[in-house]
Amino acid sequence: EVQLLESGGDLVQPGGSLRLSCAASGFTFSSYAMHWVRQAPGKGLEWVSVISNSDGSTFYADSVKGRFTISRDNSRNTLYLQMTSLRAEDMAIYYCAKGGDGSRYSFSDYWGRGTLVTVSS
Amino acid sequence: DIVMTQSPDSLAVSLGERATINCKSSQSVLYSSNNKNYLAWYQQKPGQPPKVLIYWASARESGVPDRFSGSGSGTDFTLTISSLQAEDVAVYYCQQYYSSPFTFGPGTKVDI
Repeated sequence: EVQLLESGGDLVQPGGSLRLSCAASGFTFSSYAMHWVRQAPGKGLEWVSVISNSDGSTFYADSVKGRFTISRDNSRNTLYLQMTSLRAEDMAIYYCAKGGDGSRYSFSDYWGRGTLVTVSS
Repeated sequence: DIVMTQSPDSLAVSLGERATINCKSSQSVLYSSNNKNYLAWYQQKPGQPPKVLIYWASARESGVPDRFSGSGSGTDFTLTISSLQAEDVAVYYCQQYYSSPFTFGPGTKVDI
């Protein structure tokens, strides 16, 4: 059974930093691209970033480019999102999602339950 | 960036009736070299993460009831629920994964 467990969400002040983690199990982690998608309270889904399975190539949403960094540790079956210079508009539930294949150009076929990031002074 | 729009914003359908949701992309998401539309549909129920229903515009995810179907190509797509059940009350999103950023539509809320 595919499982994705996000952690690291917290209350952080504007301008602060946070690192999210996503522990994956139930599939061959190194074979699939992985995504981060966020959802502000009461709002729709916003795609954040993707990392490919093998060469670690990445894409980012314009709203986070230069501030967020996606990475993965295939030996630990873990996905990360390093977030810096956090803004009020970054406040959201952050979902980790498994890609449908190894390519960055993939839909998301399994999702975690999310971790809440609150940005407030 | 590719802008995704959905219509309607919300709809109420009687049990057993058909529900139709439309999704339009600001540019084609059909990749000519493999003739695939890079378009997925997701269902999100309150307090839950999204769940993929359809990918490649018309391929149904394993385990998804066959009352859900996807159609369309290029820039215009449709999600159809052929006979609405109570458990289908949710928000439905389309997403293009043709080019980064992989944008979602704003969502369509389906009620009974």
